[in-house]
Amino acid sequence: AQKVTQAQTEISVVEKEDVTLDCVYETRDTTYYLFWYKQPPSGELVFLIRRNSFDEQNEISGRYSWNFQKSTSSFNFTITASQVVDSAVYFCALSTGSSNTGKLIFGQGTTLQVKP
Amino acid sequence: NAGVTQTPKFQVLKTGQSMTLQCAQDMNHEYMSWYRQDPGMGLRLIHYSVGAGITDQGEVPNGYNVSRSTTEDFPLRLLSAAPSQTSVYFCASSYRADARSYEQYFGPGTRLTVT
Repeated sequence: AQKVTQAQTEISVVEKEDVTLDCVYETRDTTYYLFWYKQPPSGELVFLIRRNSFDEQNEISGRYSWNFQKSTSSFNFTITASQVVDSAVYFCALSTGSSNTGKLIFGQGTTLQVKP
Repeated sequence: NAGVTQTPKFQVLKTGQSMTLQCAQDMNHEYMSWYRQDPGMGLRLIHYSVGAGITDQGEVPNGYNVSRSTTEDFPLRLLSAAPSQTSVYFCASSYRADARSYEQYFGPGTRLTVT
């Protein structure tokens, strides 16, 4: 079975705090892709990152960083020095197989509230 | 490019009514899909298409029909709306196979309420 679990339903932090959003996935496929999407209050889905199963390098993009660990089937997302504009729902998603199928399996989402 | 467009943005239906949610993309993407978003459940795949004339069911297809007569359009039909179909619907598209192929481009969503 393929599944994505985001155990944190809601997180509330004060601005400038660091925050980590957890994502645990399940798949038997050896080739798969993991994604993070942001959904701000306006409702659209914003692509943040894609990581394939063969690349375990951590990635940093500005205040955002991602920690991919196959040993624990996790793909966690950290926001450093959070800002009010980071308030949103964040989704982790999984796509399996060696070629794109156009199909994503989403986690339940984590609502992040950053207070000033 | 307009990207992925969806119409309408909001819709209220009565139980038993039918309607079509429109989705169009101008990026020549082969793959298109429909998701519904419900509180606490993330997004779930309804139907998807890997090209014109080819469609298949996703995780929650019951109550929905799709067809894909052109590369650009992928409408979602509700034949007899039910309150359980109250949700936000997202259409997405992507390339079939190249370095960019795993990024899904999402439309702005359609908020549907069935009373």
